[in-house]
Amino acid sequence: GESVGLHLPTLSVQEGDNSIINCAYSNSASDYFIWYKQESGKGPQFIIDIRSNMDKRQGQRVTVLLNKTVKHLSLQIAATQPGDSAVYFCAENGSGNTGKLIFGQGTTLQVKP
Amino acid sequence: DVKVTQSSRYLVKRTGEKVFLECVQDMDHENMFWYRQDPGLGLRLIYFSYDVKMKEKGDIPEGYSVSREKKERFSLILESASTNQTSMYLCASRGPGTDTQYFGPGTRLTVL
Repeated sequence: GESVGLHLPTLSVQEGDNSIINCAYSNSASDYFIWYKQESGKGPQFIIDIRSNMDKRQGQRVTVLLNKTVKHLSLQIAATQPGDSAVYFCAENGSGNTGKLIFGQGTTLQVKP
Repeated sequence: DVKVTQSSRYLVKRTGEKVFLECVQDMDHENMFWYRQDPGLGLRLIYFSYDVKMKEKGDIPEGYSVSREKKERFSLILESASTNQTSMYLCASRGPGTDTQYFGPGTRLTVL
């Protein structure tokens, strides 16, 4: 079946360092990918998205990289801050233009002061 | 900014009670979704709706029903709550021509 997964359940980084969170997807027909941030007790918050016709997209302190050859997605956070501590998960739109998203399990980012 | 609101942040109900979870979005979005989120299982789609009075089953619809009488409101109903429905419930909406889903703050439901 379709699945989206992350390589590491927990990532611990020092404040000020860059963070890289990885995601593998399985459906080669997916043409849209999105990263969410979820703080404890809150709903997921949109961070950044990318379409399959792009390899890279940058936002404010965040960059998403897409490697379609190996079906890999990554989220890079520059100069990680304590407020970045949260669960991050990726999602893909799968095939069939259903409007649904397929979500990964999530990686917990811990920022050490 | 898209705003998705959910009627309660925390809810405690007893087994067998009928439970209503309400979700409202203010962006005139056609698509709305209900998920539950459990540790180790991620987000699982319960039901979704493409438009008013339309509904589609998601991956885990058993024990739930939904109602979409108005475009801005999507309700999740637990006809007879059970303890295994204790979970975080998340509502999302999606606008036309985009795959981006925007989430509400979630309702933490505990069934005793």
